[in-house]
Amino acid sequence: GAVVSQHPSRVICKSGTSVKIECRSLDFQATTMFWYRQFPKQSLMLMATSNEGSKATYEQGVEKDKFLINHASLTLSTLTVTSAHPEDSSFYICSARGLAGGEQYFGPGTRLTVT
Amino acid sequence: AQSVTQLGSHVSVSEGALVLLRCNYSSSVPPYLFWYVQYPNQGLQLLLKYTSAATLVKGINGFEAEFKKSETSFHLTKPSAHMSDAAEYFCAVSDRWGGSSNTGKLIFGQGTTLQVKP
Repeated sequence: GAVVSQHPSRVICKSGTSVKIECRSLDFQATTMFWYRQFPKQSLMLMATSNEGSKATYEQGVEKDKFLINHASLTLSTLTVTSAHPEDSSFYICSARGLAGGEQYFGPGTRLTVT
Repeated sequence: AQSVTQLGSHVSVSEGALVLLRCNYSSSVPPYLFWYVQYPNQGLQLLLKYTSAATLVKGINGFEAEFKKSETSFHLTKPSAHMSDAAEYFCAVSDRWGGSSNTGKLIFGQGTTLQVKP
């Protein structure tokens, strides 16, 4: 149980385009989902926290207009990187927490490469 | 505010040897502490967690960690390393456990790469 999926697992896009990454909780309902960014050989940096049906809370320094987060249902959150640039290339990981709170379950990550 | 420091970005051990990965935390409130493992190009898997119950916590794959408040530490150990243990390990701290509030964010350490030599 407690499986989180991400789609796509890997995406390459051209500079200036937008990319959408999906995060789904497959076998539980997630009131809260978290989006992280991980640079090579570095730790995970929390970008934003999203609660179903409400606006995401962004961490300091994260551009909310560039990284659009939508949490429209209890099983799906999306991260859209708008007008992507090469410096946005990174590994994006989501996690989901169930209705009772507690543990975060992590997705397998999405490798974004902007050319 | 909370923070985590992992001492040693890279640890190398021989197969069968003791594994010790160090983690020190800073927290103004009682902490909840976690160890995660990450294999290349994958997400994170929870190894174990401390949520204010027993100070010695046993996790999966033979790992355990001990919460020492006086030392603000939560070091991860395994008596005998396997080749399959080679991965990136992250220590994390949170200010709460349970509940459905918007908080309970995980703050991660810098990570430690564990290399296991045959």
